[in-house]
Amino acid sequence: DAKTTQPTSMDCAEGRAANLPCNHSTISGNEYVYWYRQIHSQGPQYIIHGLKNNETNEMASLIITEDRKSSTLILPHATLRDTAVYYCIVRAPNYGGATNKLIFGTGTLLAVQP
Amino acid sequence: DSGVTQTPKHLITATGQRVTLRCSPRSGDLSVYWYQQSLDQGLQFLIQYYNGEERAKGNILERFSAQQFPDLHSELNLSSLELGDSALYFCASSARLVLNEQFFGPGTRLTVL
Repeated sequence: DAKTTQPTSMDCAEGRAANLPCNHSTISGNEYVYWYRQIHSQGPQYIIHGLKNNETNEMASLIITEDRKSSTLILPHATLRDTAVYYCIVRAPNYGGATNKLIFGTGTLLAVQP
Repeated sequence: DSGVTQTPKHLITATGQRVTLRCSPRSGDLSVYWYQQSLDQGLQFLIQYYNGEERAKGNILERFSAQQFPDLHSELNLSSLELGDSALYFCASSARLVLNEQFFGPGTRLTVL
C-alpha cells in the first residue's frame, strides 16, 4: 500500500474552510484515497473516498490532483465539532479475497478555533 | 451513531486476568475488524473475520484470540493481561469486501492495573 504523508497539525477558524493535504506520491493506479477522522477517543469515522475524480458528499469534498500524487480534504464550513485527527489512507480494492484492513498513520490534528 | 455496538464501554481488571470484549456489527455487515489503540502505538489492526471465518491477522498477540459467531457478532478474548494491554479496543464492520468503508463502534476502554 502507498505511504501517505500528512502535516502533524493544523488550525482553522470556525466557519472557514479547512483544507487538509495528503501526499501519496507512490500511489498505484488501482489504489483509492480514503479519509477517516477520529474525534477524541471516539471510534474513527469514515468521511469520503475517491480514485481520480473529485468527490463530494454531505461531510466533505475530496480533491485529487491529476497525477494522483496528492489530495486535499475540504471541510467547507468548519465547526468546533470538526476538531479531530484526520487520517488519509491509500488502499487498493479487495479483489480476490485479500483483506481490507486499514493502516492508520499519525494523521493531522485539526483544531478548529472559535 | 455508526450502528456498531461494543460492550462493555469500560473494563478495569488486574494483570494476569482474562476478559472478553463483544461487538455487534451493523445489520447486514458480514465483515468484522478489531483494532487496538494505545497511546504509544496509535491505531493498530488486530484481526478480521468475514462471515464467521478468519480473513486476516495483524499484530495480534498469541494471548489474544477472536471469533465471529453465526449471528455475526464477534468477541475478542484477551488473556494473561499485562499492563501494556491497557488501550482502547475498537470493532469495525463493513458490508462490501471490495472497497474499504468501515464503520467503527465506540470502543471498549481496557485498563489493566
